[in-house]
Amino acid sequence: EIVLTQSPATLSLSPGERATLSCRASQSVSSYLAWYQLKPGQAPRLLIYDASNRATGIPARFTGSGSGTDFTLTISSLEPEDFAVYYCQQRDNWPPVTFGQGTRLEIK
Amino acid sequence: QVQLQESGPGLVKPSETLSLTCTVSGASISSYYWTWIRQPPGKGLEWIGYIYYSGSTNYNPSLKSRVTILVDTSRNQFSLKLTSVTAADTAVYYCVASRAGIATLFDHWGRGTLVTVSS
Repeated sequence: EIVLTQSPATLSLSPGERATLSCRASQSVSSYLAWYQLKPGQAPRLLIYDASNRATGIPARFTGSGSGTDFTLTISSLEPEDFAVYYCQQRDNWPPVTFGQGTRLEIK
Repeated sequence: QVQLQESGPGLVKPSETLSLTCTVSGASISSYYWTWIRQPPGKGLEWIGYIYYSGSTNYNPSLKSRVTILVDTSRNQFSLKLTSVTAADTAVYYCVASRAGIATLFDHWGRGTLVTVSS
């Protein structure tokens, strides 16, 4: 089973700042890495798939990069609605599909 | 726009069977793969498994002995059954749609429903 390790666990930033979230895989997942945004009481949202492709309707301030074992989600300028929990997910080697433990992005 | 709504008991007794239904609107049940994912309180996401409208399934090996996912094309619904539950099965359960051809990419999610396992 592929283990995904996200860092940091919590990131405290202010609106307008740049956020950089990391996801590291225990073995190569090629480019089969996705990012999701979760907010309490809302349906989770797919942000990025295959490492760098924005899903439909996702703003350009969200950028995904990386391949192999190291991946990054960058939010170029934080909006108030971006404060949430973010999860990475691999689909290269399954079952099972696995997720990281999440990064909580909170308002500083 | 695909919309999914989970329904079912919010409280299940230990050793009993957890049963949830997901009602799909805005899409044909034959157009996507249908997945269940859960999130225990304070923990990360766990993939449970998926079903295609044809009935083909794939389950998480850690849950495979206890899980059944079924699809009802006439009602545009799919369901989850998890047997012999324990407190470790307490979680928010999400139903999810994956685009045709990519069963393991989760495009559309329900809001989730909390199921607590307790006597």
